[in-house]
Amino acid sequence: GENVEQHPSTLSVQEGDSAVIKCTYSDSASNYFPWYKQELGKRPQLIIDIRSNVGEKKDQRIAVTLNKTAKHFSLHITETQPEDSAVYFCAVSFSGGYNKLIFGAGTRLAVHP
Amino acid sequence: SQTIHQWPATLVQPVGSPLSLECTVEGTSNPNLYWYRQAAGRGLQLLFYSVGIGQISSEVPQNLSASRPQDRQFILSSKKLLLSDSGFYLCAWSYSSNEKLFFGSGTQLSVL
Repeated sequence: GENVEQHPSTLSVQEGDSAVIKCTYSDSASNYFPWYKQELGKRPQLIIDIRSNVGEKKDQRIAVTLNKTAKHFSLHITETQPEDSAVYFCAVSFSGGYNKLIFGAGTRLAVHP
Repeated sequence: SQTIHQWPATLVQPVGSPLSLECTVEGTSNPNLYWYRQAAGRGLQLLFYSVGIGQISSEVPQNLSASRPQDRQFILSSKKLLLSDSGFYLCAWSYSSNEKLFFGSGTQLSVL
């Protein structure tokens, strides 16, 4: 089955710095790659996603890059702010159908003022 | 607009007791429905998904079961809870045509 690995598991940055989280996956047929942000005790919220026909997508301070050949994709957050502190999950669509998403283990990001 | 309701928000149950968590979606028809579990400080594990009424697929063998008695209703059940069933349970839905998931607010289950 699909395997998704996410690194690092924890990330600590100073306010204003950039943060990068990377995920690798195993199924070359996967074609949808979202990122979710989860604040403590809350539901995961979709923050950005990308499909396999695009190499990069940007939305204000966040961007996602995809390398289909190497089977990895990354979340980039620039000019980090304390409110960016949360757990971030990558996910990969399962090519076996039924629109299933397989999630990475998560990255706990702490942004220090 | 579409909304997803999940209840209860928190639940404390003794070992061996039954469980029923309910999730409903409004504003769309024939959604795909999902149950995920999140252990403390861990990732999201897909438990069940459903593409239609009465159609349930299980991802991992466990003490839980799911049912979809109506198009927009998804229920997670157990006959006898185990300590290891504790966790944060999230219901989610997607359009049948794509993979974008929308999560409910979750149920924090503590089995004591």
